[in-house]
Amino acid sequence: GDSVTQMEGPVTLSEEAFLTINCTYTATGYPSLFWYVQYPGEGLQLLLKATKADDKGSNKGFEATYRKETTSFHLEKGSVQVSDSAVYFCALIKIQGAQKLVFGQGTRLTINP
Amino acid sequence: NAGVTQTPKFQVLKTGQSMTLQCAQDMNHNSMYWYRQDPGMGLRLIYYSASEGTTDKGEVPNGYNVSRLNKREFSLRLESAAPSQTSVYFCASRITSATNEKLFFGSGTQLSVL
Repeated sequence: GDSVTQMEGPVTLSEEAFLTINCTYTATGYPSLFWYVQYPGEGLQLLLKATKADDKGSNKGFEATYRKETTSFHLEKGSVQVSDSAVYFCALIKIQGAQKLVFGQGTRLTINP
Repeated sequence: NAGVTQTPKFQVLKTGQSMTLQCAQDMNHNSMYWYRQDPGMGLRLIYYSASEGTTDKGEVPNGYNVSRLNKREFSLRLESAAPSQTSVYFCASRITSATNEKLFFGSGTQLSVL
């Protein structure tokens, strides 16, 4: 079945460091890919998305490129801030068919000042 | 505010008790979802509904039932709660078209089963 695998957490970085959170997926067809963020005590918020191969999603300094050849959608940010501390979820959905929205297990990110 | 509204925000049950988690969206979305979030396991899909009147099982449907009586509301029922159902539950709704794809989450329900 369709699945999403994220890099193991937790991840701890210093402020202004470069961030990469790896995400790979398994799916038939052509899914849309998402990154969601969950700040402490809150629900999930859409961070960025990409709906077809080679699309780049971006928001708040975060970027991710839909790579069909490697089935990946890695999240990157050039200079993280303390306020980026949160749990990040990679997810996929197929527009056709069952329309199940499948999430990875989440990666907890902590940024130290 | 428009969006996805979940109730209650917190609930404590005893083993064997039943309850219904309510979810409503006022955005005219077709698809709705129920997830549970557990430490180290991320979000797991319990049930989803692609449209009014239809429901399908997700990854972890056992012990739950759902009802999508109209387009706005998608409720999740625990008939006989078990400690393994202690979790945070999220409802979500989604709309998709040829030019638009949006997904919204509720704020969550923290459920403890003693």
